[in-house]
Order: sequence, then structure tokens, then C-alpha cells
Amino acid sequence: GDSVTQTEGLVTLTKGLPVMLNCTYQTTYSPFLFWYVQHLNEAPKLLLKSSTDNKRTEHQGFYATLHKSSSSFHLQKSSVQLSDSALYFCALSDRSGGYKVVFGSGTRLLVSP
Amino acid sequence: DPKIIQKPKYLVAVTGSEKILICEQYLGHNAMYWYRQSAKKPLEFMFSYSYQKLMDNQTASSRFQPQSSKKNHLDLQITALKPDDSATYFCASSQDRGLNSDYTFGSGTRLLVI
Repeated sequence: GDSVTQTEGLVTLTKGLPVMLNCTYQTTYSPFLFWYVQHLNEAPKLLLKSSTDNKRTEHQGFYATLHKSSSSFHLQKSSVQLSDSALYFCALSDRSGGYKVVFGSGTRLLVSP
Repeated sequence: DPKIIQKPKYLVAVTGSEKILICEQYLGHNAMYWYRQSAKKPLEFMFSYSYQKLMDNQTASSRFQPQSSKKNHLDLQITALKPDDSATYFCASSQDRGLNSDYTFGSGTRLLVI
């Protein structure tokens, strides 16, 4: 079945530094990839999404590029802020899974002053 | 105003009891979902509905039963509650059930079974 792997459980950074959160996936069909962000005690919210190979997609300073050759969709930001501290989920959807969105285990980003 | 209302926000239940988690969405969406989030399995898919019809069920137990009385309602009935059921249950919706569906999540019901 489909799966999404996020290797880092926790990433800690100082404000102003760049960040990359890893996401790789497994599927036999052409997928749609998503990043959702969940702040403490809040609902997950869509951050960005893509299905286009090798095209960078951006939102709120975050960006990601879907690379089908390596089955990756890493999330990046050039300069993190304190408000970026949250849980980040990579997710995918494809027709083999009935279009339901399958989430990775999540990466918690903690940004310190 | 919240677009997806989940009630109650917090719920404490006794082992063996039955509870119903309420979800209503005011986005005009045609597809609704239930996800469970716990320390063991973050954001685990449970059910999907499209136009009030069950499309997918990934729960292993029949103790979990979704109920859709209206197009914008998808409640979750849980019977014979166990401590392992303790988790936050999120309801979500999307315009339609498809590849490019953006999910909007409710604020969740945090269930504690003692």
C-alpha cells in the first residue's frame, strides 16, 4: 500500500536558520503530495501541495519540489521564525488508495530564539 | 467562525461505555472523513464518506461506526470503549473525493478512556 516516510521526529533550530524536513513516499500510481502543519492544540492545516514533477511550489515562505525520480517531497524554508514551531505532516493521495490522504508520522519543528 | 464543528472538545469516558462524537461542516463539501491522532499513530485514516455514502473503512474494529444523517454531518459512534481508544479524533472534509482534494480539519475531540 501507499506509505509516507518522515525520518526526523524532532528538528530543533535557532531562529533565522534554514530548515529542510524530509519526506519520501511509496506508491505505484502518480500521486498528489501535500504538506500539512499543525500548531499546538490546533487542527492540521494545508500548507502546500503538488503533483507536478520537478516544479517548486511555495506558500508562506515554505517551499517544496516533487521529485518523482527519487519519490521525495522535502519541505524547506530559508529562514525559520518562532511561529514556525509546529508539527509538520507530509501526506499523499492517489487513486489506488481510493483518493484518501495518507499521512506520514510527522516532524516536530522547534524554533528557539 | 469555525467551518467544521466538532463536539465535544474534550470527553472522558469509562471503559465499556459508548460515546458519539459529533461533526458538522459548513463548507458545502461533499466528502467527509474521520482521522485519529495518538502518540502511537499520528493522523491515522479511519473512514471516508462521499455524498453520505461510505467509501472507505480502515478501522479494524466494528466498535467504530460512522453515522451520516445529513450531507454535512458525519458523527462517529464508538461502543465498548477501551483505554487504547484514547486519542484525538479529527473530522475533515473536502469539496469532493479526489486526487487533488484539500482537507479542512475540525479542531478535534480529545477522548480519554479511563
